[in-house]
Amino acid sequence: AQKVTQAQTEISVVEKEDVTLDCVYETRDTTYYLFWYKQPPSGELVFLIRRNSFDEQNEISGRYSWNFQKSTSSFNFTITASQVVDSAVYFCALSGPNSGGYQKVTFGTGTKLQVIP
Amino acid sequence: EAQVTQNPRYLITVTGKKLTVTCSQNMNHEYMSWYRQDPGLGLRQIYYSMNVEVTDKGDVPEGYKVSRKEKRNFPLILESPSPNQTSLYFCASSIAGGIYEQYFGPGTRLTVT
Repeated sequence: AQKVTQAQTEISVVEKEDVTLDCVYETRDTTYYLFWYKQPPSGELVFLIRRNSFDEQNEISGRYSWNFQKSTSSFNFTITASQVVDSAVYFCALSGPNSGGYQKVTFGTGTKLQVIP
Repeated sequence: EAQVTQNPRYLITVTGKKLTVTCSQNMNHEYMSWYRQDPGLGLRQIYYSMNVEVTDKGDVPEGYKVSRKEKRNFPLILESPSPNQTSLYFCASSIAGGIYEQYFGPGTRLTVT
């Protein structure tokens, strides 16, 4: 079985601070895929990033960056110079072959980020 | 515009009254899935479908049914809803399976009294 843990339930930061959202996963698969999604207060779910287990290179997209470390089974998400528009619930997710043959997707419980102006 | 649509967006019903939540995508995606979102539990997968007439259980399938008779549609059926099915439901689709990014519908807030 696969599992995703987002231990931070809620985080509050002041605008322009950097913030890191943690994601720790468990899987017995050697090949798997990790994702981050954003759910702003309006409620829709928006895809942010997808990473496969063979690509450990960190990724940066504007103020967003992702740190994937297989050794610690973590896929952390950092927002640099946070803005009020970053306020949202962020979900980490995992899909692997031994859970429904890549059809099942396991989500974490989410981290609610509040950016205070 | 590429999108996933769900109807209704809001529904209040009573215990035991059968209901269907529709989901449709216009992206010709192979994979579709249903999730429920509950406070403190995140998103949990109910059912998924890899193609027409191919469906399988997710982590919380009890009390739900699905069908995939057409590629674009994936309705969620609650034959005898109970209060513990009060939740926010999301339909999603992807090109081909859970390894690809999913596009989500706007959500259906269901209350069962």
